[in-house]
Amino acid sequence: QKEVEQNSGPLSVPEGAIASLNCTYSDRGSQSFFWYRQYSGKSPELIMSIYSNGDKEDGRFTAQLNKASQYVSLLIRDSQPSDSATYLCAVNYSGGYQKVTFGIGTKLQVIP
Amino acid sequence: DAGITQSPRHKVTETGTPVTLRCHQTENHRYMYWYRQDPGHGLRLIHYSYGVKDTDKGEVSDGYSVSRSKTEDFLLTLESATSSQTSVYFCAISEYGRLDTQYFGPGTRLTVL
Repeated sequence: QKEVEQNSGPLSVPEGAIASLNCTYSDRGSQSFFWYRQYSGKSPELIMSIYSNGDKEDGRFTAQLNKASQYVSLLIRDSQPSDSATYLCAVNYSGGYQKVTFGIGTKLQVIP
Repeated sequence: DAGITQSPRHKVTETGTPVTLRCHQTENHRYMYWYRQDPGHGLRLIHYSYGVKDTDKGEVSDGYSVSRSKTEDFLLTLESATSSQTSVYFCAISEYGRLDTQYFGPGTRLTVL
C-alpha cells in the first residue's frame, strides 16, 4: 500500500506570514509530486508540481522535495486570507501515470 | 472547470438502487477519470479511461462500472448502491494522462440512505 501522510490541521497562520505544509510518502520509487488547493465545497486545483530534489518557486508558492527523506513540502509566502483552503499532496509512484496516491489534505486558515 | 460538467450535482438515493453519474467534457481530451473523496481519505481513483471503449480499474473499483462510448462522455454506474458509496465523486480529464495536465469537474455529492 503506497501511503502519503499529511497532518489534517487546521494550520493557522497570521496574514503575511509563511505557511509551511508538509507531506511524507512511502514509495522510494516515486517520481512526481503535486500540490493541489481545494476550497470548501469545490474541486481540487493543481498549484504546483515538482519532479527533482530541491526547490521550485512559482510566485508566492515554493515546493520543496527531498527524495532521500521522502518528504515534500509547500511554502506559501505572504499568506493571504484567500489562501485559506485545504492543500492536498499527491504522489505519482512507480508503475505509470495512473499510479497516484493523494494525502488527506491539510486545512490552512490564514487569520486577518 | 476547464470544460467539464458533471450531472447530477447532488443525488439522494436508497440502498440497492442503480445510480449513474455522468461526466461530459468539451476539451476533446483522451483521458478521463472518476475519483471519490471521503473524510479521512485522500482522493481515490475508481476507474479511468484512456480512449473510447478503453477503461481500466483504479484503487477502489469494486461496486462500480464505467462506460465510454464517446470521447466527451464518461459514465460511472453503481449497480446496486450501498451506504459505503456515499461520497463526493469527481470526474477529471487529462490531455496526456499526467497529473500536471489533469483538471477536475465540479463534483457530484451522492448520498445513499
